[in-house]
Amino acid sequence: EIVLTQSPATLSLSPGERATLSCRASESVNRYLAWYQHKPGQTPRLLISDASYRATGIPDRFSGSGSGTDFTLTISSLEPEDFAVYYCQQRRSWPITFGQGTRLEIK
Amino acid sequence: QVQLVQSGAEVKKPGSSVKVSCQASGGIFSNYAISWLRQAPGQGLEWMGGIVPLFSSPNYAQKFEGRVSITKDDSTGTVHMELSNLRSDDTAVYFCARESIALTGPGANYLDYWGQGTLVTVSS
Repeated sequence: EIVLTQSPATLSLSPGERATLSCRASESVNRYLAWYQHKPGQTPRLLISDASYRATGIPDRFSGSGSGTDFTLTISSLEPEDFAVYYCQQRRSWPITFGQGTRLEIK
Repeated sequence: QVQLVQSGAEVKKPGSSVKVSCQASGGIFSNYAISWLRQAPGQGLEWMGGIVPLFSSPNYAQKFEGRVSITKDDSTGTVHMELSNLRSDDTAVYFCARESIALTGPGANYLDYWGQGTLVTVSS
């Protein structure tokens, strides 16, 4: 199985700041990587697929980049509703696997 | 709009089994894989297995082979996940989710619609 390692585990920022979250794969996943947002009491929400394609309805302050083993989710200017846990997921190799998550908290 | 609605929370004894249901509405039930995942306290998401209702044959993660069974009921648009021989480390929130690409998977795609999660607590 492909192991995905996310960093940092926790990121403390203020609204209006830029957030940069990282996901590293144990082997190449090409661009077959997604990002999800998960808030307490809600279902996970698909943000980005295939490394850089925003899902329907996702604001353009969310962007994804990377290929191979190193990927980044960037939130250009944090809104209060963006504070949540973010997961990366690969579909390059069966079965799908997830990172352990980055908790984005209000500073 | 696709919706996945899961059955309610369960408390089980070690060694017993639990069956969690996921009813789909909206969309085309049979063409998209429904996967089951879980999230133990303080842990990440873990894929357990899934089924494409049209094809009927489920796939399971190696870790859960022999302990998990995923079935479907076409008449109600429901997918069931049964986990047997429960242990305390099976305590988790269990999610169903629809895979994003028709007629592929399970365990091979992104997940575009999710159920609300079902807390399963295993305790003596």
